[in-house]
Amino acid sequence: DSGVTQTPKHLITATGQRVTLRCSPRSGDLSVYWYQQSLDQGLQFLIQYYNGEERAKGNILERFSAQQFPDLHSELNLSSLELGDSALYFCASRGGSTDTQYFGPGTRLTVL
Amino acid sequence: SQQGEEDPQALSIQEGENATMNCSYKTSINNLQWYRQNSGRGLVHLILIRSNEREKHSGRLRVTLDTSKKSSSLLITASRAADTASYFCATDLNTDKLIFGTGTRLQVFP
Repeated sequence: DSGVTQTPKHLITATGQRVTLRCSPRSGDLSVYWYQQSLDQGLQFLIQYYNGEERAKGNILERFSAQQFPDLHSELNLSSLELGDSALYFCASRGGSTDTQYFGPGTRLTVL
Repeated sequence: SQQGEEDPQALSIQEGENATMNCSYKTSINNLQWYRQNSGRGLVHLILIRSNEREKHSGRLRVTLDTSKKSSSLLITASRAADTASYFCATDLNTDKLIFGTGTRLQVFP
């Protein structure tokens, strides 16, 4: 158990809909990262937050957004969903004393 | 885009044998990390090796890093059926985000 939690585990929705994925980092970790794992793109970095502020952006679509709240949990919002957004979405967290990112169990999103 | 390419893409061995998987990357790195993923589940961190290190051990795992060749290898000794998983290398370019390789699927037969 990495200490990073993600909800929900599974999400099935329809095209055009909007969903919110939630992540709670390990206790005390200020950095939160979001990654997407799909069959065709592999594991891709989406976005990073540090103590509430956006720190880095990767291959994140404009339809996607994220935020980190004062209690350090983070949410990834995916809107106008398309079939191609079906993937595993991972959250990871990192503390200041380590370079290791600890991953949560992921949310499997299926868009029908 | 993928930073790392892993080789082989798939590997099948018997329990007790050693498994070696390789990772090549394109640009200078801060560190390189190896992760394991059991079928469709979360990523488990295995080991981190810094750019100024050449070899690191953790239990049955041995990781080497050759920055001149931009490559790393992960050796799992005396493999067990429970080692069956996908293994990914991930490079940290000192930008704080990880760039993952394509992964090696390891199957260990009892």
